[in-house]
Amino acid sequence: AQKITQTQPGMFVQEKEAVTLDCTYDTSDQSYGLFWYKQPSSGEMIFLIYQGSYDEQNATEGRYSLNFQKARKSANLVISASQLGDSAMYFCAMREVIQGAQKLVFGQGTRLTINP
Amino acid sequence: DAGVIQSPRHEVTEMGQEVTLRCKPISGHNSLFWYRQTMMRGLELLIYFNNNVPIDDSGMPEDRFSAKMPNASFSTLKIQPSEPRDSAVYFCASSGGPRGYTFGSGTRLTVV
Repeated sequence: AQKITQTQPGMFVQEKEAVTLDCTYDTSDQSYGLFWYKQPSSGEMIFLIYQGSYDEQNATEGRYSLNFQKARKSANLVISASQLGDSAMYFCAMREVIQGAQKLVFGQGTRLTINP
Repeated sequence: DAGVIQSPRHEVTEMGQEVTLRCKPISGHNSLFWYRQTMMRGLELLIYFNNNVPIDDSGMPEDRFSAKMPNASFSTLKIQPSEPRDSAVYFCASSGGPRGYTFGSGTRLTVV
């Protein structure tokens, strides 16, 4: 069963607009963590933002914010005032603990293209 | 801090040859992960170490793959013999706590 679902394979957004990248997850754990990573065409994995399952406030990091809706098991990434440099693959990931081992499980990603 | 260091950045090898990928985690991080990224399967966790001990290798595709972590500052992922379907980008990541997973730049492996 898919643990992390990113339903948008690709998105095209006009520069300076806000964009929301969807992520839903599946877990029966009470304690877990949700991450967003950016992978530009150069290939590196860049950490963007983290949300813990017990965090009461939605996480924010500069232009990035995480719209965490625990009951709906969604953790959407919001990028405000998009820039051309935001064009990249974006991965949602969940940290889960299985038999004492922590795993970071990734979704399939969303390719975001920012148009000038 | 230099981050997670992987070598080589690119590797091209012939089918049947042994390939060794290397990783130096961030100093002080006690967890190390090896991932493989392909277009078809996305990012897959291959193996995970905690305090140099392999905890979960259920993601290792087959016996041709092996990984070691002889000390806190070094890990290897070996493929022997290599096959064309092993072509992928292999990432190493380290973590010092539940919030932080830092990835290396990856090794792009091509098996011809």
